[in-house]
Amino acid sequence: GEDVEQSLFLSVREGDSSVINCTYTDSSSTYLYWYKQEPGAGLQLLTYIFSNMDMKQDQRLTVLLNKKDKHLSLRIADTQTGDSAIYFCAESIDTGGFKTIFGAGTRLFVKA
Amino acid sequence: GAGVSQSPSNKVTEKGKDVELRCDPISGHTALYWYRQSLGQGLEFLIYFQGNSAPDKSGLPSDRFSAERTGGSVSTLTIQRTQQEDSAVYLCASSRTGVRSPLHFGNGTRLTVT
Repeated sequence: GEDVEQSLFLSVREGDSSVINCTYTDSSSTYLYWYKQEPGAGLQLLTYIFSNMDMKQDQRLTVLLNKKDKHLSLRIADTQTGDSAIYFCAESIDTGGFKTIFGAGTRLFVKA
Repeated sequence: GAGVSQSPSNKVTEKGKDVELRCDPISGHTALYWYRQSLGQGLEFLIYFQGNSAPDKSGLPSDRFSAERTGGSVSTLTIQRTQQEDSAVYLCASSRTGVRSPLHFGNGTRLTVT
């Protein structure tokens, strides 16, 4: 089946690292994504990783993928108050076309 | 260039009325998705259009919901006989063909059923 799960809330202090975790069930996932949603806005792509990669780093963002355990994480280094948002994990699966399934989103609170 | 455009941005309707929500995808994007985001809930998949293929309607919650995509571009999501539980933000996204193509989202239509 198609299912993506995430914890709903995370609270960190400014300057600390944030780690947001996600698990998915579909083994045919090809790409896995992290999207960010700020209040009143749609989702914006943060980063993505191909399913045959273990890690991807992009400035303050590090994505780790454990394909065996179907576990994906997003680490934000030196978290800032501007990083406060909802972060969605998503997987792209091959259904003939490519369908994207999202998790419920993790609301990140950054305390000054 | 222009992003995904959704209209209206806000819609208040009475229970039992029909509503139509519109999505203009990015030009050249062949895939189009509708999602629903309820307060405190995640992103619920509704329907997916890919080129000329039959749409994937597996996420539509009831037969009161329908969507069409005319000419491979603009899409309309229709909700008939609206209920209070239909109140949510309806998000549209589009993408190019291909597995690596990320989704580009509109800002959504906030639907309130009174």
